[in-house]
Amino acid sequence: EAQVTQNPRYLITVTGKKLTVTCSQNMNHEYMSWYRQDPGLGLRQIYYSMNVEVTDKGDVPEGYKVSRKEKRNFPLILESPSPNQTSLYFCASRFVREGGTDTQYFGPGTRLTVL
Amino acid sequence: SQQGEEDPQALSIQEGENATMNCSYKTSINNLQWYRQNSGRGLVHLILIRSNEREKHSGRLRVTLDTSKKSSSLLITASRAADTASYFCATRKAGAQKLVFGQGTRLTINP
Repeated sequence: EAQVTQNPRYLITVTGKKLTVTCSQNMNHEYMSWYRQDPGLGLRQIYYSMNVEVTDKGDVPEGYKVSRKEKRNFPLILESPSPNQTSLYFCASRFVREGGTDTQYFGPGTRLTVL
Repeated sequence: SQQGEEDPQALSIQEGENATMNCSYKTSINNLQWYRQNSGRGLVHLILIRSNEREKHSGRLRVTLDTSKKSSSLLITASRAADTASYFCATRKAGAQKLVFGQGTRLTINP
């Protein structure tokens, strides 16, 4: 089954304790992206990756890091989480192909609470 | 900055009625997509319309695109309780890879 998986699904942590949210896709997609969703603000892109070892900042990258060492994985790293990073996080992936399908597949979400 | 803006922010209708949601955007686009999100879950792609298309159908969904007005509408016909969800439009600018999402319309179908 084609899917994007995220782990953990729920996480409560404390300020300053480094954490990683994993994302994996099994569709051989080149493009992967992280979003955060907050009430009244919609989905905002944090980081994206066009392919292995190619990453770039989205609209709200401060306080986050990513890596793309393998095509299927795109972990989101919070080196020193703060309460304003409490949010619902989504990983997504799709092909990079002009004229091809643009359908973006989303993971189930990770609800993060930073105390 | 947000490219797409949905209208209305919330919509409540009776089961069986049609639901219409609108999306406006600011710049030239390659395509516009609609996604559905059930509460707290991941977004699911519904339909894509390219900039050279004016209307597209998929089951009970009908999407229109007016590039001169920079707007799109999503019509859900014969609504069902299971259609209760948030609906987002997303635009991809010409020459860009990024999808920009609006803030969504919260649709409630009352039985």
